[in-house]
Amino acid sequence: DAKTTQPPSMDCAEGRAANLPCNHSTISGNEYVYWYRQIHSQGPQYIIHGLKNNETNEMASLIITEDRKSSTLILPHATLRDTAVYYCIVRVGNYGGSQGNLIFGKGTKLSVKP
Amino acid sequence: ETGVTQSPTHLIKTRGQQVTLRCSSQSGHNTVSWYQQALGQGPQFIFQYYREEENGRGNFPPRFSGLQFPNYSSELNVNALELDDSALYLCASSDGGKVGNTIYFGEGSWLTVV
Repeated sequence: DAKTTQPPSMDCAEGRAANLPCNHSTISGNEYVYWYRQIHSQGPQYIIHGLKNNETNEMASLIITEDRKSSTLILPHATLRDTAVYYCIVRVGNYGGSQGNLIFGKGTKLSVKP
Repeated sequence: ETGVTQSPTHLIKTRGQQVTLRCSSQSGHNTVSWYQQALGQGPQFIFQYYREEENGRGNFPPRFSGLQFPNYSSELNVNALELDDSALYLCASSDGGKVGNTIYFGEGSWLTVV
């Protein structure tokens, strides 16, 4: 079963920041937080991941709380093309191919509206 | 563009038949994993190959099998197809030698069993 809890749906106005929350209260010390999104009928798209520090890339920012029990994905200026299902996943990070697989939950359906 | 390519993109098979799906991993990636995504559900982990050996498997019966080749490309084989096998099959690749690596997905192969 997925180790994360996300709201089933959220709305966001175009041009505004979208803040997607995720709870992972049972996360272990060697588990990373990953975010993917999936637009209908396409393969999941990697967005960002982190262990304990906040991370930023060209797509989004990831804010992880100090106790690592929750995180927030921030899309700074949402566009209509950001409408998708967003998955928050925790995954073990190890060497040598023994890294955990991705366990997808139901995700958050983000609807960006004009 | 993730560099992970899958073929075929769509196919229709009859119940009881066998199917082979193919995946070329991103250059430099030695780990390939396969996921099944039924309509309206999140992807479910089938199995993972690292350096040509299976090193993780989800809750799928033995009629789901796979191979990884020396160039790290991979095949997913499903025997004795059932109607419930109709789904999007996703291949993902990663660098197993890197802790906290990124997993990149292909666009998937849509399988319809009639």
